[in-house]
Amino acid sequence: KQEVTQIPAALSVPEGENLVLNCSFTDSAIYNLQWFRQDPGKGLTSLLLIQSSQREQTSGRLNASLDKSSGRSTLYIAASQPGDSATYLCAVSHQQGANQAGTALIFGKGTTLSVSS
Amino acid sequence: DTGVSQNPRHKITKRGQNVTFRCDPISEHNRLYWYRQTLGQGPEFLTYFQNEAQLEKSRLLSDRFSAERPKGSFSTLEIQRTEQGDSAMYLCASSLGGANGYTFGSGTRLTVV
Repeated sequence: KQEVTQIPAALSVPEGENLVLNCSFTDSAIYNLQWFRQDPGKGLTSLLLIQSSQREQTSGRLNASLDKSSGRSTLYIAASQPGDSATYLCAVSHQQGANQAGTALIFGKGTTLSVSS
Repeated sequence: DTGVSQNPRHKITKRGQNVTFRCDPISEHNRLYWYRQTLGQGPEFLTYFQNEAQLEKSRLLSDRFSAERPKGSFSTLEIQRTEQGDSAMYLCASSLGGANGYTFGSGTRLTVV
């Protein structure tokens, strides 16, 4: 059974600092991995999607890497800002059937980030 | 296209009442998912539709829960005889499948009193 773990559970940093959030998964046979942001009481916003054949994806100040063989992904946030304060969730899906469709996502519990000004 | 829409945003109900939530996915997305999220936890998968067919249901989806997607467009999630343990955020997501990611709605927060 796939399990997704995110470390740390919470992180507080001053504005401007670079930071790394970690995600690990027990079954390396994933189809893709997706990072989401969730503001308190809100839904999920997709940040980055990495296919199993890819090593990293970048969007603005965000960079996500994937090491499928070791079951790890990291989300790097450069020059953090107070507006980055939120919970960051990592989720994986598995290949389903010959059409290579992804299965439902399996989530970690998230890392709650607080960036102080 | 305004993304995935969920209604209502909030629902407070008395224990034992029935509630129904609606999800309108992105129009061209043929896959639709329901998740439940409790405080401090990541979302947990409930059920999945491809077009109008319900292809997978989690063991979390007890007999009191039922979901439909009658014409392969919007979906409804009904909870019968609600219990306090049903209090959670109910999230809907849609996808094109394949190598595409998932787009989530803003969720419906259910409080059972």
